[in-house]
Amino acid sequence: KQEVTQIPAALSVPEGENLVLNCSFTDSAIYNLQWFRQDPGKGLTSLLLIQSSQREQTSGRLNASLDKSSGRSTLYIAASQPGDSATYLCAMGANAGKSTFGDGTTLTVKP
Amino acid sequence: EAQVTQNPRYLITVTGKKLTVTCSQNMNHEYMSWYRQDPGLGLRQIYYSMNVEVTDKGDVPEGYKVSRKEKRNFPLILESPSPNQTSLYFCASSPNSGFTDTQYFGPGTRLTVL
Repeated sequence: KQEVTQIPAALSVPEGENLVLNCSFTDSAIYNLQWFRQDPGKGLTSLLLIQSSQREQTSGRLNASLDKSSGRSTLYIAASQPGDSATYLCAMGANAGKSTFGDGTTLTVKP
Repeated sequence: EAQVTQNPRYLITVTGKKLTVTCSQNMNHEYMSWYRQDPGLGLRQIYYSMNVEVTDKGDVPEGYKVSRKEKRNFPLILESPSPNQTSLYFCASSPNSGFTDTQYFGPGTRLTVL
């Protein structure tokens, strides 16, 4: 069974700090790895999608990496802002159609 | 506007009363999926559909049914809801079934079964 783990469950940082969120997965037959953001009471917003053939993707202050051999992905957020406060979820796409999510990391950026 | 819509957004019902949560996307996406989100258990996949008339079970399909008669719609049916199906439900779609594109999520449906 595919499993996705996110550590830490919660993270609090001062504004301006660079930070890394971690995601590990058990299935090497991965199609892609996607990072989402979820604000309280809201749906999920896609941030970055990394195909299994890629090593990283970048969008603005966000950079996501994928290491299939070690079963790990990281989301790097540069120069964090209070508006970045949210829960960040990673999701592994495998066996085309099945999608497994981690439990998320709740990030708080303090002004 | 490209979007995934769900209805209703909030629903309180009683045990055993059949209900349907609708999901519709206007992006001509092939792939659609249903998830439930519960505290401490995260987001879990219920059913997914690779295309019209093609559906398959996710990790937690028990107590749910789906159908995909048209490309744009993917309703979730609870034939006999029970309190353990109280949850926040999300529908998602993706342009193709090969997982080469991102998933787009609806706003969620909060269901309470008494």
